[in-house]
Amino acid sequence: DTGVSQNPRHKITKRGQNVTFRCDPISEHNRLYWYRQTLGQGPEFLTYFQNEAQLEKSRLLSDRFSAERPKGSFSTLEIQRTEQGDSAMYLCASSLEAGMGGYGYTFGSGTRLTVV
Amino acid sequence: ILNVEQSPQSLHVQEGDSTNFTCSFPSSNFYALHWYRWETAKSPEALFVMTLNGDEKKKGRISATLNTKEGYSYLYIKGSQPEDSATYLCAFIQGAQKLVFGQGTRLTINP
Repeated sequence: DTGVSQNPRHKITKRGQNVTFRCDPISEHNRLYWYRQTLGQGPEFLTYFQNEAQLEKSRLLSDRFSAERPKGSFSTLEIQRTEQGDSAMYLCASSLEAGMGGYGYTFGSGTRLTVV
Repeated sequence: ILNVEQSPQSLHVQEGDSTNFTCSFPSSNFYALHWYRWETAKSPEALFVMTLNGDEKKKGRISATLNTKEGYSYLYIKGSQPEDSATYLCAFIQGAQKLVFGQGTRLTINP
């Protein structure tokens, strides 16, 4: 297992277009998280899954954002009708349960989205 | 709404000097506190997961302490090296749910 993989690494899109990002977690990890990070801020929680169930979605997330984790494996994050304010680094992480057991979360390298 | 506060926001330290920074978090319903190091163009990397009041953890020249009753954690770096330059993130779990991150402390080591 090579860790958490995110694709693409970079995405430039025109305002109003839809984009989809993919995250492949560590296979033994049952929890998968999406975070967004903008310049000078820490990662901001978006949503998380336990297996295939989406357990929580941030109230900050508009209806333009949707995430799926079919069969509890990889996950996709889709943003519809992108806006310039969506420009950010989108981070995916996975963990065993709530990040206990001394291992913390394992993060991917992120997808940097630029909306022009 | 959880607030995790880190200070300072940025720090410049001379190579060889020791340094420390602070993370404060809500003290109620504590579950765990994480520290991560995030180097430019890389993934955030877990340094410590701390769960017990009074916990002290160490990894090489880096150590951390935890006070859950008063809601703070300190991260210490002894004898700073250029490779320690990174953003150090503190994150808090309340009630076994998800991590809530502070804004980070950006550390630059001057040779």
